[in-house]
Amino acid sequence: DAGVIQSPRHEVTEMGQEVTLRCKPISGHNSLFWYRQTMMRGLELLIYFNNNVPIDDSGMPEDRFSAKMPNASFSTLKIQPSEPRDSAVYFCASSPRTGVNGYTFGSGTRLTVV
Amino acid sequence: DAKTTQPNSMESNEEEPVHLPCNHSTISGTDYIHWYRQLPSQGPEYVIHGLTSNVNNRMASLAIAEDRKSSTLILHRATLRDAAVYYCILSAGGTSYGKLTFGQGTILTVHP
Repeated sequence: DAGVIQSPRHEVTEMGQEVTLRCKPISGHNSLFWYRQTMMRGLELLIYFNNNVPIDDSGMPEDRFSAKMPNASFSTLKIQPSEPRDSAVYFCASSPRTGVNGYTFGSGTRLTVV
Repeated sequence: DAKTTQPNSMESNEEEPVHLPCNHSTISGTDYIHWYRQLPSQGPEYVIHGLTSNVNNRMASLAIAEDRKSSTLILHRATLRDAAVYYCILSAGGTSYGKLTFGQGTILTVHP
């Protein structure tokens, strides 16, 4: 198993541009989570899905952020328009419903908005 | 969500046991206790979780106090590769899966 796959690994964009981060969860995992990590705020849960349905998006900072999971093998996190304060590492994680082995995190996408 | 309290940092020597404490005095009867770690420049990694009984796996042991208000992650023989931030987390919703809210964690330094 290749694990949770995130792309791109690094993204540098100009303020005001649209940014799309992608995630492929582990096959068979029912839950998918998007986290953001900064030095100031640590790891923050943005949104999570169960069986492709958004369950809790209370961590999404504002309307500029949106996430979708059109099928069990793909999710996107979109920022439009991007701002310098969105610069962070964004992690995607997936988990089977049994929770036996916990979450598996991807390697993250380091986003820099200039 | 119930909160956890961990020391900001701890130090250990290589090949010695490490006991990482976590206080969770407001834990509910159905909250699971999870431990994750994050190595430098990597995503968090699952270590272990439990509900009431002590748990062992290939990475570590989890000792849970009888009143469940505290727990200890035990690394039996620390290696340099164990240097990481260790997070103690309580799961919401009374399940072993679902939403996990990370705190600041404990930075573990391992000396050769």
